[in-house]
Amino acid sequence: GAVVSQHPSRVICKSGTSVKIECRSLDFQATTMFWYRQFPKKSLMLMATSNEGSKATYEQGVEKDKFLINHASLTLSTLTVTSAHPEDSSFYICSASTGTGLNNEQFFGPGTRLTVL
Amino acid sequence: AQSVTQLDSQVPVFEEAPVELRCNYSSSVSVYLFWYVQYPNQGLQLLLKYLSGSTLVESINGFEAEFNKSQTSFHLRKPSVHISDTAEYFCAVTGGTSYGKLTFGQGTILTVHP
Repeated sequence: GAVVSQHPSRVICKSGTSVKIECRSLDFQATTMFWYRQFPKKSLMLMATSNEGSKATYEQGVEKDKFLINHASLTLSTLTVTSAHPEDSSFYICSASTGTGLNNEQFFGPGTRLTVL
Repeated sequence: AQSVTQLDSQVPVFEEAPVELRCNYSSSVSVYLFWYVQYPNQGLQLLLKYLSGSTLVESINGFEAEFNKSQTSFHLRKPSVHISDTAEYFCAVTGGTSYGKLTFGQGTILTVHP
């Protein structure tokens, strides 16, 4: 099946620094990638949708200047958490798809645990 | 807007026992429903989905779910679980203006004991 990887799997950083998380589709071309955030004992919350070569579409309440998303190629999307603070600590999950139709299954990465000290 | 509620955060069962993981949704438009499974240290994997047609859908590993529009439910069942079914299960919905975007429930941790 389709494989999506994320790097790093976990990262610890100091408050005020920026952190970049990579999401790669290893064996297919992903025209659309999604970024989710998961709080403990909570569901996955969609943060943004990105299409290759276009600006990301952010969900209501998500700061686009804080969570920078780049989808420069069909196999790579990055999420940069700028000027991270402890409240940004969370589990970030990406998914990749060949489109946004019902028959375009989303394939999920294993997630990245971010801890901001 | 849609929402999904998984009533049970944890479900412990013994091996070979039946199990039901409950999922209820709320939506003002037609929806499409999914169950995902997440094994430890892995990404979410699609288990089964309801798009249209028969309201009873099955997975290749013995799980089934039934779309019940009147009760706005999509409960997941398996008549006999295995140790290897231990994982976290997420119910998700999409539809209407949120087409293509998934709204997830809180997840249910299924633990199968020998």
